[in-house]
Amino acid sequence: SAVISQKPSRDICQRGTSLTIQCQVDSQVTMMFWYRQQPGQSLTLIATANQGSEATYESGFVIDKFPISRPNLTFSTLTVSNMSPEDSSIYLCSVEGRLYNEQFFGPGTRLTVL
Amino acid sequence: KNQVEQSPQSLIILEGKNCTLQCNYTVSPFSNLRWYKQDTGRGPVSLTIMTFSENTKSNGRYTATLDADTKQSSLHITASQLSDSASYICVVSAEKGGGNKLTFGTGTQLKVEL
Repeated sequence: SAVISQKPSRDICQRGTSLTIQCQVDSQVTMMFWYRQQPGQSLTLIATANQGSEATYESGFVIDKFPISRPNLTFSTLTVSNMSPEDSSIYLCSVEGRLYNEQFFGPGTRLTVL
Repeated sequence: KNQVEQSPQSLIILEGKNCTLQCNYTVSPFSNLRWYKQDTGRGPVSLTIMTFSENTKSNGRYTATLDADTKQSSLHITASQLSDSASYICVVSAEKGGGNKLTFGTGTQLKVEL
Protein backbone atom coordinates (compact mmCIF):
# COMPACT_ATOMS: atom_id res chain seq x y z
CA SER A 1 0.00 0.00 0.00
CA ALA A 2 0.98 3.65 -0.32
CA VAL A 3 1.00 6.26 2.41
CA ILE A 4 -0.22 9.62 1.18
CA SER A 5 -0.18 12.91 3.03
CA GLN A 6 -1.84 16.17 2.08
CA LYS A 7 -1.36 19.75 3.18
CA PRO A 8 -3.28 21.64 4.36
CA SER A 9 -5.82 19.32 5.93
CA ARG A 10 -8.39 22.11 5.87
CA ASP A 11 -8.62 25.79 5.06
CA ILE A 12 -11.13 28.60 4.96
CA CYS A 13 -10.52 31.03 2.12
CA GLN A 14 -11.98 34.22 0.77
CA ARG A 15 -13.68 34.46 -2.60
CA GLY A 16 -11.30 35.37 -5.42
CA THR A 17 -8.17 33.98 -3.79
CA SER A 18 -6.23 30.82 -4.69
CA LEU A 19 -5.13 27.83 -2.62
CA THR A 20 -2.42 25.30 -3.42
CA ILE A 21 -2.82 21.80 -2.02
CA GLN A 22 0.21 19.57 -1.67
CA CYS A 23 0.28 15.79 -1.98
CA GLN A 24 3.25 13.67 -0.89
CA VAL A 25 3.54 9.90 -1.43
CA ASP A 26 5.95 7.59 0.38
CA SER A 27 6.95 5.76 -2.81
CA GLN A 28 7.54 6.58 -6.45
CA VAL A 29 4.41 6.38 -8.57
CA THR A 30 3.80 7.00 -12.24
CA MET A 31 0.36 8.53 -12.07
CA MET A 32 -1.27 10.68 -9.43
CA PHE A 33 -4.91 11.64 -9.46
CA TRP A 34 -6.80 14.60 -8.05
CA TYR A 35 -10.44 14.22 -7.04
CA ARG A 36 -13.12 16.55 -5.75
CA GLN A 37 -15.86 15.45 -3.37
CA GLN A 38 -18.59 18.00 -2.98
CA PRO A 39 -20.85 17.78 0.08
CA GLY A 40 -23.03 14.68 -0.06
CA GLN A 41 -21.66 13.72 -3.47
CA SER A 42 -19.42 10.98 -4.82
CA LEU A 43 -15.84 11.53 -5.87
CA THR A 44 -15.25 13.23 -9.21
CA LEU A 45 -11.92 12.97 -11.02
CA ILE A 46 -10.44 16.37 -11.79
CA ALA A 47 -7.25 15.36 -13.56
CA THR A 48 -4.50 12.79 -13.90
CA ALA A 49 -0.95 13.98 -13.33
CA ASN A 50 2.03 12.20 -14.89
CA GLN A 51 5.55 13.19 -13.99
CA GLY A 52 7.21 15.19 -16.74
CA SER A 53 4.11 15.93 -18.75
CA GLU A 54 1.04 18.13 -18.61
CA ALA A 55 -1.87 16.90 -16.56
CA THR A 56 -4.87 15.39 -18.33
CA TYR A 57 -8.13 17.07 -17.30
CA GLU A 58 -11.58 15.51 -17.21
CA SER A 59 -14.56 17.10 -18.87
CA GLY A 60 -15.69 20.14 -16.93
CA PHE A 61 -12.29 20.92 -15.45
CA VAL A 62 -9.72 23.27 -17.00
CA ILE A 63 -6.08 24.03 -16.35
CA ASP A 64 -6.66 27.73 -15.73
CA LYS A 65 -8.95 26.92 -12.82
CA PHE A 66 -7.08 23.88 -11.47
CA PRO A 67 -3.39 24.11 -12.42
CA ILE A 68 -1.41 21.03 -11.40
CA SER A 69 2.29 20.50 -10.93
CA ARG A 70 4.12 17.14 -10.86
CA PRO A 71 7.79 17.91 -10.35
CA ASN A 72 8.83 14.37 -9.37
CA LEU A 73 7.53 10.85 -8.79
CA THR A 74 6.45 11.40 -5.18
CA PHE A 75 4.90 14.87 -5.15
CA SER A 76 2.14 16.88 -6.78
CA THR A 77 0.23 20.09 -6.17
CA LEU A 78 -3.26 21.18 -7.14
CA THR A 79 -4.16 24.86 -7.12
CA VAL A 80 -7.75 26.00 -6.87
CA SER A 81 -7.72 29.43 -8.53
CA ASN A 82 -10.02 32.43 -8.22
CA MET A 83 -12.17 30.54 -5.73
CA SER A 84 -15.91 30.90 -5.31
CA PRO A 85 -18.20 29.29 -2.71
CA GLU A 86 -19.01 26.58 -5.27
CA ASP A 87 -15.42 25.36 -4.91
CA SER A 88 -16.09 24.38 -1.30
CA SER A 89 -15.30 20.67 -1.32
CA ILE A 90 -12.94 18.01 -0.14
CA TYR A 91 -10.00 17.63 -2.52
CA LEU A 92 -8.33 14.22 -2.54
CA CYS A 93 -5.04 13.04 -3.95
CA SER A 94 -4.80 9.42 -5.08
CA VAL A 95 -2.26 7.00 -6.52
CA GLU A 96 -2.52 3.59 -8.15
CA GLY A 97 -1.26 0.41 -6.53
CA ARG A 98 0.15 -2.51 -8.43
CA LEU A 99 -2.69 -4.94 -7.77
CA TYR A 100 -5.74 -4.48 -10.02
CA ASN A 101 -4.71 -0.84 -10.31
CA GLU A 102 -6.03 -0.42 -6.79
CA GLN A 103 -6.18 3.21 -5.78
CA PHE A 104 -5.02 4.64 -2.49
CA PHE A 105 -6.33 7.97 -1.29
CA GLY A 106 -4.88 10.72 0.80
CA PRO A 107 -6.75 12.08 3.82
CA GLY A 108 -8.18 14.96 1.81
CA THR A 109 -8.15 18.73 2.11
CA ARG A 110 -11.41 20.27 3.28
CA LEU A 111 -11.82 23.65 1.60
CA THR A 112 -14.44 26.20 2.58
CA VAL A 113 -14.78 29.35 0.46
CA LEU A 114 -16.61 32.29 1.99
CA LYS B 1 -23.18 6.22 -19.69
CA ASN B 2 -21.41 4.35 -16.88
CA GLN B 3 -23.32 4.55 -13.61
CA VAL B 4 -23.11 3.12 -10.11
CA GLU B 5 -26.14 3.25 -7.82
CA GLN B 6 -26.08 2.40 -4.15
CA SER B 7 -28.82 1.68 -1.67
CA PRO B 8 -29.86 2.52 0.87
CA GLN B 9 -28.64 6.11 0.94
CA SER B 10 -28.35 5.92 4.73
CA LEU B 11 -28.81 3.30 7.40
CA ILE B 12 -28.90 3.20 11.19
CA ILE B 13 -28.35 -0.08 13.02
CA LEU B 14 -27.68 -1.20 16.57
CA GLU B 15 -24.23 -2.35 17.57
CA GLY B 16 -23.81 -6.08 17.09
CA LYS B 17 -26.36 -6.34 14.29
CA ASN B 18 -25.59 -7.32 10.70
CA CYS B 19 -26.38 -5.24 7.63
CA THR B 20 -26.13 -5.47 3.86
CA LEU B 21 -25.44 -2.63 1.47
CA GLN B 22 -26.32 -2.84 -2.21
CA CYS B 23 -24.62 -1.66 -5.39
CA ASN B 24 -25.98 -1.84 -8.95
CA TYR B 25 -23.86 -0.80 -11.87
CA THR B 26 -23.92 -0.26 -15.60
CA VAL B 27 -20.25 -0.06 -16.45
CA SER B 28 -18.58 -1.51 -19.48
CA PRO B 29 -16.21 -3.01 -20.24
CA PHE B 30 -16.08 -4.23 -16.66
CA SER B 31 -12.67 -4.64 -15.04
CA ASN B 32 -13.26 -4.87 -11.29
CA LEU B 33 -15.50 -3.71 -8.47
CA ARG B 34 -14.26 -2.18 -5.23
CA TRP B 35 -15.79 -1.30 -1.92
CA TYR B 36 -14.27 1.55 0.08
CA LYS B 37 -14.90 2.78 3.61
CA GLN B 38 -14.67 6.51 4.16
CA ASP B 39 -14.61 7.80 7.71
CA THR B 40 -15.71 11.38 8.25
CA GLY B 41 -12.88 13.75 7.38
CA ARG B 42 -10.73 10.99 5.90
CA GLY B 43 -9.95 9.62 2.47
CA PRO B 44 -11.53 6.34 1.29
CA VAL B 45 -9.84 3.11 2.34
CA SER B 46 -10.14 -0.05 0.26
CA LEU B 47 -12.07 -2.97 1.77
CA THR B 48 -12.30 -5.41 -1.14
CA ILE B 49 -11.59 -5.67 -4.86
CA MET B 50 -13.27 -8.28 -7.07
CA THR B 51 -12.69 -9.15 -10.69
CA PHE B 52 -15.18 -10.68 -13.09
CA SER B 53 -14.37 -14.25 -12.02
CA GLU B 54 -14.75 -13.66 -8.29
CA ASN B 55 -18.17 -13.77 -6.68
CA THR B 56 -17.27 -13.34 -3.04
CA LYS B 57 -14.43 -11.84 -1.05
CA SER B 58 -14.03 -11.27 2.66
CA ASN B 59 -12.01 -8.85 4.73
CA GLY B 60 -12.59 -9.55 8.40
CA ARG B 61 -16.22 -8.77 9.21
CA TYR B 62 -16.78 -7.39 5.70
CA THR B 63 -17.93 -9.77 2.94
CA ALA B 64 -18.53 -8.53 -0.58
CA THR B 65 -20.40 -10.44 -3.27
CA LEU B 66 -20.49 -9.87 -7.00
CA ASP B 67 -22.98 -11.10 -9.59
CA ALA B 68 -21.51 -10.05 -12.92
CA ASP B 69 -24.54 -11.33 -14.81
CA THR B 70 -27.01 -9.08 -13.03
CA LYS B 71 -24.38 -6.39 -12.41
CA GLN B 72 -25.02 -6.29 -8.71
CA SER B 73 -22.80 -6.32 -5.67
CA SER B 74 -23.43 -6.32 -1.96
CA LEU B 75 -21.34 -5.59 1.11
CA HIS B 76 -22.33 -7.51 4.23
CA ILE B 77 -21.11 -6.31 7.61
CA THR B 78 -21.26 -8.83 10.42
CA ALA B 79 -21.53 -8.03 14.12
CA SER B 80 -21.34 -4.28 13.56
CA GLN B 81 -19.23 -2.06 15.78
CA LEU B 82 -19.41 1.65 16.52
CA SER B 83 -16.26 2.11 14.44
CA ASP B 84 -18.13 0.84 11.38
CA SER B 85 -19.97 4.16 11.26
CA ALA B 86 -18.80 5.62 7.95
CA SER B 87 -19.71 6.08 4.32
CA TYR B 88 -19.33 2.94 2.18
CA ILE B 89 -18.60 3.61 -1.46
CA CYS B 90 -18.95 1.17 -4.35
CA VAL B 91 -16.54 1.85 -7.20
CA VAL B 92 -16.54 0.07 -10.54
CA SER B 93 -13.53 0.09 -12.81
CA ALA B 94 -13.86 -0.01 -16.59
CA GLU B 95 -11.03 -0.91 -18.89
CA LYS B 96 -9.96 2.06 -20.91
CA GLY B 97 -6.99 2.28 -23.25
CA GLY B 98 -4.72 0.03 -21.20
CA GLY B 99 -5.72 1.67 -17.95
CA ASN B 100 -8.80 1.88 -15.77
CA LYS B 101 -11.55 4.45 -15.45
CA LEU B 102 -13.38 4.51 -12.15
CA THR B 103 -17.06 5.25 -11.63
CA PHE B 104 -17.98 6.07 -8.05
CA GLY B 105 -21.29 5.52 -6.31
CA THR B 106 -22.60 8.21 -3.98
CA GLY B 107 -22.17 5.93 -0.98
CA THR B 108 -24.27 4.53 1.83
CA GLN B 109 -23.96 6.43 5.09
CA LEU B 110 -23.97 3.87 7.92
CA LYS B 111 -24.43 4.80 11.54
CA VAL B 112 -24.00 2.19 14.26
CA GLU B 113 -25.59 3.06 17.59
CA LEU B 114 -25.53 1.58 21.07
